[in-house]
Amino acid sequence: DVKVTQSSRYLVKRTGEKVFLECVQDMDHENMFWYRQDPGLGLRLIYFSYDVKMKEKGDIPEGYSVSREKKERFSLILESASTNQTSMYLCASSFPGQGPGELFFGEGSRLTVL
Amino acid sequence: GQNIDQPTEMTATEGAIVQINCTYQTSGFNGLFWYQQHAGEAPTFLSYNVLDGLEEKGRFSSFLSRSKGYSYLLLKELQMKDSASYLCAVNSGGYQKVTFGTGTKLQVIP
Repeated sequence: DVKVTQSSRYLVKRTGEKVFLECVQDMDHENMFWYRQDPGLGLRLIYFSYDVKMKEKGDIPEGYSVSREKKERFSLILESASTNQTSMYLCASSFPGQGPGELFFGEGSRLTVL
Repeated sequence: GQNIDQPTEMTATEGAIVQINCTYQTSGFNGLFWYQQHAGEAPTFLSYNVLDGLEEKGRFSSFLSRSKGYSYLLLKELQMKDSASYLCAVNSGGYQKVTFGTGTKLQVIP
């Protein structure tokens, strides 16, 4: 089974802090994604990566950056956390050449910024 | 731009059939997904349509009409465990960029 692991289930940070959210997948997937999920807004794509060191902006990249130094690991960075970044963050991976290329999600990281 | 619409909430009775609709307007189309998400859990893949027509998988079926920008998810013989949010998502670009609708929260009642 594909396993996507996010480093922290719950985080509480203060405004202005730098925040790292880590995601690791164990199935050699090419693509990795970061979404945030908010009530009434659904899942919104922040960034995605289709290869090591490659990244593409999603629909809401402002205030975020990402890093993909190894194929299995995709990190989301909040350079200076703000209260409007309080949200559930979901990492996902997919393999484009295998079946429909559905997304496999991690359990999520609930971030609260005070 | 991308626009994916689905009803916010639905209620249905155990043992019945429910249809959850999804309409989309996207700049490209490479396929449509349905995901199920139980409260407090990650979304899990249910179905995928890339050609027009019906795809059946046990109690769940999904239909696609590309010309109408329309899909539906059909759940038969509803069970209490089907109470969840159902997310419609469109692969609209290269590298499998997937855009989600806001989800439909389904409540199954006895």
